Amino acid sequence: DQQVKQNSPSLSVQEGRISILNCDYTNSMFDYFLWYKKYPAEGPTFLISISSIKDKNEDGRFTVFLNKSAKHLSLHIVPSQPGDSAVYFCAASVSGNTPLVFGKGTRLSVIA
Amino acid sequence: DAGVIQSPRHEVTEMGQEVTLRCKPISGHDYLFWYRQTMMRGLELLIYFNNNVPIDDSGMPEDRFSAKMPNASFSTLKIQPSEPRDSAVYFCASSLDALNTGELFFGEGSRLTVL
Repeated sequence: DQQVKQNSPSLSVQEGRISILNCDYTNSMFDYFLWYKKYPAEGPTFLISISSIKDKNEDGRFTVFLNKSAKHLSLHIVPSQPGDSAVYFCAASVSGNTPLVFGKGTRLSVIA
Repeated sequence: DAGVIQSPRHEVTEMGQEVTLRCKPISGHDYLFWYRQTMMRGLELLIYFNNNVPIDDSGMPEDRFSAKMPNASFSTLKIQPSEPRDSAVYFCASSLDALNTGELFFGEGSRLTVL
């Protein structure tokens, strides 16, 4: 059973608009969440993270929102750029106890 | 540092053959992870090591899969015998302290095709 779910396999957005990638989790013990970005023929690279003590973390064009009651997090990219086209993986862990559990990924295509 | 280094980048083999994937983690990282990426299951954890010791191999799909870490700078993932359903991209990752919110550093992956 998938503990981390990314229900949208793909997303297409116009350049300059906002991209919103969603992630749901089932394990209420998860307290640390990360987003990784993966280009073709490369390994995933860390993008941004958030601890469960926060509900928002921002880094430049990237913002992650956490809704603990809904067990939901989202990654907002604004404005979206063609170079953002990649597969985005959501990951979660019980800090200090378990390694990262990843979702299946969402392929983002930013159209110029 | 050169990052996590994996070899081979691509492997095509026939069903029943032995496959060995190799990984050199980032120097000084205490944790090493093997993940497998497929369309159906995404990125799934196979096994991880802490200070060269296997900690959790519950993700290893079958006895055909085995992993070793003989020293801090080298790990192997072996599949014997290989089957077509093993076709996937296998990633090795390392981390200073992944179990305390540490970031994982991934290699470029080994794409395995079993015919």
